[in-house]
Amino acid sequence: NAGVTQTPKFQVLKTGQSMTLQCAQDMNHNSMYWYRQDPGMGLRLIYYSASEGTTDKGEVPNGYNVSRLNKREFSLRLESAAPSQTSVYFCASSTSSGGTYNEQFFGPGTRLTVL
Amino acid sequence: ELKVEQNPLFLSMQEGKNYTIYCNYSTTSDRLYWYRQDPGKSLESLFVLLSNGAVKQEGRLMASLDTKARLSTLHITAAVHDLSATYFCAVEGTGNYQLIWGAGTKLIIKP
Repeated sequence: NAGVTQTPKFQVLKTGQSMTLQCAQDMNHNSMYWYRQDPGMGLRLIYYSASEGTTDKGEVPNGYNVSRLNKREFSLRLESAAPSQTSVYFCASSTSSGGTYNEQFFGPGTRLTVL
Repeated sequence: ELKVEQNPLFLSMQEGKNYTIYCNYSTTSDRLYWYRQDPGKSLESLFVLLSNGAVKQEGRLMASLDTKARLSTLHITAAVHDLSATYFCAVEGTGNYQLIWGAGTKLIIKP
C-alpha cells in the first residue's frame, strides 16, 4: 500500500497563477484533510472532507477551494496564487467516521513557493 | 474554542538525559495524538491516547494522558541522537472531525 500520496512534490508559481494539488489514499479512509505548515506555526487546517461528497472549511480556507472527487481523492486548488500562500501543504486521511477515533496519516507534502 | 499549548517549543539536550514535553489543552477531550516530524519530512503517528490514564510506550518514548488536568506528557528516557525531531501533539475536538494541533517542540539531542 502506498498510503497517502501527493503530487507535485515541489512547485514554483508566479503571483496570480493557478494550480491544483492532488492527493490520493489507498487505505479506504472516509475522511481527508488539507493542511498548511509554516515555520513556527504548526499545522493549520485549510479544508476537510468528513466523507465522500462533503467538504467543510477549516481554520484558513480563504484563497483555496477543494474537491472530493471520490473516496480516494481530495484535491486542493489555488485559483490566484499569492506570496502569502508560500508554504508546505500536507494532505492527510483518517478512518474517523461515526465515533471512531481520528488518527490521521499524512502524505509526503508539497513545497509551494509563490513569487 | 479548543486551544493546544506545547512546552517547551525548543529543547536542546545531551544524550543520555531524561526530559518531558508537555501538552496542555483548554477544553474537555479524551483523545490525544502524538506525532513526530523529521526535518523536511512528513508527520508520523507515534501514539494514540484515547482515555484518561492512558499510557503508551515505544522504546525510549512514553506518552500519558490526564484528561482531568487536560494534560499529556511525552517523556524521553536516556535520549539518543536519533530522537532529534519536532514533536507535535494534537487534540480531538468533540463533535467534529478536526484535530487541533500544538505548535510543536523542536528537540535537538547532542552527542
